[in-house]
Amino acid sequence: EIVLTQSPGTLSLSPGESAILSCRASQSVARLAVAWYQQKPGQSPRLLIYDTSTRAPGIPDRFSGSGSPTDFTLTISRLDPDDFALYYCHQFGHAVATFGQGTKVEI
Amino acid sequence: DVQLVQSGAELKKPGESLKISCQASGYTFSTYWIVWVRHLPGKGLEYMGMIYPGDSDARYTPSFQGQVTFSVDTSINTAYLQWTSLKDSDSGVYYCARGSRGSPLAGPLDSWGQGSLVTVSS
Repeated sequence: EIVLTQSPGTLSLSPGESAILSCRASQSVARLAVAWYQQKPGQSPRLLIYDTSTRAPGIPDRFSGSGSPTDFTLTISRLDPDDFALYYCHQFGHAVATFGQGTKVEI
Repeated sequence: DVQLVQSGAELKKPGESLKISCQASGYTFSTYWIVWVRHLPGKGLEYMGMIYPGDSDARYTPSFQGQVTFSVDTSINTAYLQWTSLKDSDSGVYYCARGSRGSPLAGPLDSWGQGSLVTVSS
């Protein structure tokens, strides 16, 4: 099973700053099999990025994804108050899909 | 719009059975995998497995194999997650999500249900 390790666990930033979230995989993962989700308290996760770097419909361009094959990054430029949430990376390129443990972006 | 609507919160005792549902709308239900994800209190997301409504091909992760059962009723565009004997450790929020179209990939998950809270307590 591939382990995804996200860092940092918590990111304390201010609106307008940039956030860089890391997701390291214990084995190589195909770029097409990496996604990022945002989850706010009391809500379901929402797809932000798929195929490592493609924004899901309706996702602002301040969200961007990059990386491969074991190191993946989600960058949030110009943090909006609405962006303070929990973020998960996800790989589904191997038999057992896995999620990272999450990075909390807080004010 | 794609929507997945899950059944409501459940309070059960250890040893009891349970079946929760996930009703899909806004797309052709039979052509996309439905993925089940568990969210335990204070923990992250955990992939349980998936089912293809077109032929009921169900795939489970080793951790959940034999512990739960996935099923579908295509006449009402609904997927189910079932336990025959609940344990305290099954308490958590269970999400269904839409996976890939056709290919047996557990992602990306582009639409999620609102989650079903399951509480198992004596």
